[in-house]
Amino acid sequence: QKEVEQDPGPLSVPEGAIVSLNCTYSNSAFQYFMWYRQYSRKGPELLMYTYSSGNKEDGRFTAQVDKSSKYISLFIRDSQPSDSATYLCAARAYQAGTALIFGKGTTLSVSS
Amino acid sequence: DAEITQSPRHKITETGRQVTLACHQTWNHNNMFWYRQDLGHGLRLIHYSYGVHDTNKGEVSDGYSVSRSNTEDLPLTLESAASSQTSVYFCASSESHSYGYTFGSGTRLTVV
Repeated sequence: QKEVEQDPGPLSVPEGAIVSLNCTYSNSAFQYFMWYRQYSRKGPELLMYTYSSGNKEDGRFTAQVDKSSKYISLFIRDSQPSDSATYLCAARAYQAGTALIFGKGTTLSVSS
Repeated sequence: DAEITQSPRHKITETGRQVTLACHQTWNHNNMFWYRQDLGHGLRLIHYSYGVHDTNKGEVSDGYSVSRSNTEDLPLTLESAASSQTSVYFCASSESHSYGYTFGSGTRLTVV
């Protein structure tokens, strides 16, 4: 079992919809949680960063971490065709010497 | 502007050949990472380095090696290329353990 699990989708929504992307993780030592967005044939780019539990909002994007259930979520409000991409969740433990562990990614398509 | 560059962008090589993929960053980041991305597996960690002369094995390190002789570069070497190593390879760097990663644009490697 991978340490970070993510449903690969694909997920298709109409423009303007609210999108919910989710991941679960198994390592209780994970403290840093991130969401990356990857367009086709490009490198991943950091979208959201959360330390420990709680919510973080940035424009139309909200990242949520529930450490009690080991659940990571990304919400996209008023989705746009330009949001069509693969979204990867990632997590890392607090201690030095560890690296980011990624989920498999969810492919999102927003139609106009 | 600071950047992270990977070369070549595309490479075709034969089974058994030694191949080196280059990664160069001008962010002056101590931390550098190599991942491979495959359909159905997502991003998997190959090797990483937290400073000059420091290297660590990741989840899928067999058949790969890295060396870090300066801050800017972390070349990835495939000792004897195999068809199973056909993949897209991403290099990343980060300023410190608590920061997100900046990714390069990737190298698409085909082993025939």
